[in-house]
Amino acid sequence: EIVLTQSPGTLSSSPGDSVTLSCRASHNVARNFLAWYQQKPGQAPKLLLYSTSTRATGVPARFRASGSGTDFSLTIDGLEPEDLADYYCQQYASYPATFGQGTKVEIK
Amino acid sequence: EVFLVESGGGLVQPGGSLRLSCEDSGFTFDATWMSWLRQVPGQGLEWVADISPDGNTAFYLDSVDGRFTVARDNAKRSLSLQMNGLRVDDSAIYYCARGLIVVISPMSNYWEEWGRGTLVTVSS
Repeated sequence: EIVLTQSPGTLSSSPGDSVTLSCRASHNVARNFLAWYQQKPGQAPKLLLYSTSTRATGVPARFRASGSGTDFSLTIDGLEPEDLADYYCQQYASYPATFGQGTKVEIK
Repeated sequence: EVFLVESGGGLVQPGGSLRLSCEDSGFTFDATWMSWLRQVPGQGLEWVADISPDGNTAFYLDSVDGRFTVARDNAKRSLSLQMNGLRVDDSAIYYCARGLIVVISPMSNYWEEWGRGTLVTVSS
């Protein structure tokens, strides 16, 4: 099983800032099969990116991601108040699919 | 617009059973893998089970294997999760989610479409 560790646990930043969230895997994530989700309070998760850096339909360009192997990151450029949410990385390179424990993004 | 709608959650005693359902009002139900995932309120996400488009292949989280059974009825565009031998640590919001069209071993799924979830509480 691939264990994903996200950091920081909580991130507080001001509107307009750029923030970077980290996701580290215990083993190589083959073919960079890593996805990112956003979950706003009281809502189901929403897919942001897959295959490390491909944005899902309708996801704004301010969400970008990169990485390979065991180290991945999600950057939000120009943080907006609506970006208040929990963000999860998920690997789908092998069963079982696993998630990181999440990063909470707070808006100052 | 949300096309996946879960139902069947509720309060059940430890050792009891519950059957969750997911109805799909979209257009691609029989073409994609379907999954169940869960989340303890305030905590992280956990994959539970996958089923192939034809229903012939299923995968389970180790801790539910042998207790939970995922099934689908493509004609009715519905997905189910039969949960037996429920434990307190099975308590969570259970989400139905649409996976990929093609899954080539050993890869699993990611999920672009999710339902709103149904809450399962296992308690005496």
